[in-house]
Amino acid sequence: DAGITQSPRHKVTETGTPVTLRCHQTENHRYMYWYRQDPGHGLRLIHYSYGVKDTDKGEVSDGYSVSRSKTEDFLLTLESATSSQTSVYFCAISLQGAGEQYFGPGTRLTVT
Amino acid sequence: GNSVTQMEGPVTLSEEAFLTINCTYTATGYPSLFWYVQYPGEGLQLLLKATKADDKGSNKGFEATYRKETTSFHLEKGSVQVSDSAVYFCALSNAGGTSYGKLTFGQGTILTVHP
Repeated sequence: DAGITQSPRHKVTETGTPVTLRCHQTENHRYMYWYRQDPGHGLRLIHYSYGVKDTDKGEVSDGYSVSRSKTEDFLLTLESATSSQTSVYFCAISLQGAGEQYFGPGTRLTVT
Repeated sequence: GNSVTQMEGPVTLSEEAFLTINCTYTATGYPSLFWYVQYPGEGLQLLLKATKADDKGSNKGFEATYRKETTSFHLEKGSVQVSDSAVYFCALSNAGGTSYGKLTFGQGTILTVHP
């Protein structure tokens, strides 16, 4: 299994509070991605990174920001959480950026 | 833009039955196609892939053929097992350039196999 961990694995937070999710990899892969999974939508890309300090928006980026200060860590921040951001969040990594991705175990976030 | 459409689920089968999960796509250029599987409580795992037209991806008894003429990548297995119960996702990626390997997923198909 690819060395990808996500923390926390579960979180319950209140509307309006900031939340940061962490993805950590030990594979030294260049590309990292954040997705959210919701029933009926499959997985949708939030943000991605193609190198340290190189990030860009995906299809559902509103309300989210990311940072990548070193190869192994990719942080996803919800500046002010809303109930619509209740979801399961997955981090993924890719060596060559050719579509074959390895996924972390996910973080279940509930915003009350 | 890119899109992937999977057959509606859930799919319920008896053990040893034949499985087909339909997947069609819309994309520019020549995308790579993937099937990912998600077991309960876990992240997604790559099941198989195909990178060009007429390629057949296969793994663990599952197969899918890249059909450019019908823009399809249907997943098949001749004899399913209870352990195949999971959610299956079809996905595509445009290789190279500024695509950065981003995946576009279908909505997922829940498969339940009964003994």
